[in-house]
Amino acid sequence: GDSVTQMEGPVTLSEEAFLTINCTYTATGYPSLFWYVQYPGEGLQLLLKATKADDKGSNKGFEATYRKETTSFHLEKGSVQVSDSAVYFCALWASNAGNMLTFGGGTRLMVKP
Amino acid sequence: EAGVAQSPRYKIIEKRQSVAFWCNPISGHATLYWYQQILGQGPKLLIQFQNNGVVDDSQLPKDRFSAERLKGVDSTLKIQPAKLEDSAVYLCASSPTGTGEAFFGQGTRLTVV
Repeated sequence: GDSVTQMEGPVTLSEEAFLTINCTYTATGYPSLFWYVQYPGEGLQLLLKATKADDKGSNKGFEATYRKETTSFHLEKGSVQVSDSAVYFCALWASNAGNMLTFGGGTRLMVKP
Repeated sequence: EAGVAQSPRYKIIEKRQSVAFWCNPISGHATLYWYQQILGQGPKLLIQFQNNGVVDDSQLPKDRFSAERLKGVDSTLKIQPAKLEDSAVYLCASSPTGTGEAFFGQGTRLTVV
């Protein structure tokens, strides 16, 4: 079945550092890919998405590019802030698999001032 | 636009008791998901509805868990009898048909003692 694998955390960075959180997927067909974020005490919310190969999703300074050749969707940000501290989840949605939305295990990011 | 509403926010029960969670999705969203999120893990899909029909319930422990979505709107998830390992956050999400872009409620944190 479809699956998503993320790098394990926690990832601890200093403010203004560069962030990369790796995500790879296994899927039949051509899924849509997402990054969701969960801030402390809050529900999951969509951060960005990409629906086809080579698409780049971006939001709030975060970016991720849909790489079909490496089945990856790595999340990046050039300069993190303390307010970016959260848990980040990579997810895929496959319309040819019953429209299931499948999540990775999550990566906790801690940004220190 | 009102978001996904869930209740209660917190629930503590003893093992072997029963519990029910309620979810009101965003108006017009045909797809409704229930996820179980154990501390430190990614959300695990329990059941997915399309309108009032079940699309996938392959990971729902049907000997103790049940869910319904009457009239294709509100949904309830029930556990009877609860076990200690059911302690988790139960997340409800809804999505417009054909997008995979899910909107999550705040979740219900269940503690089984």
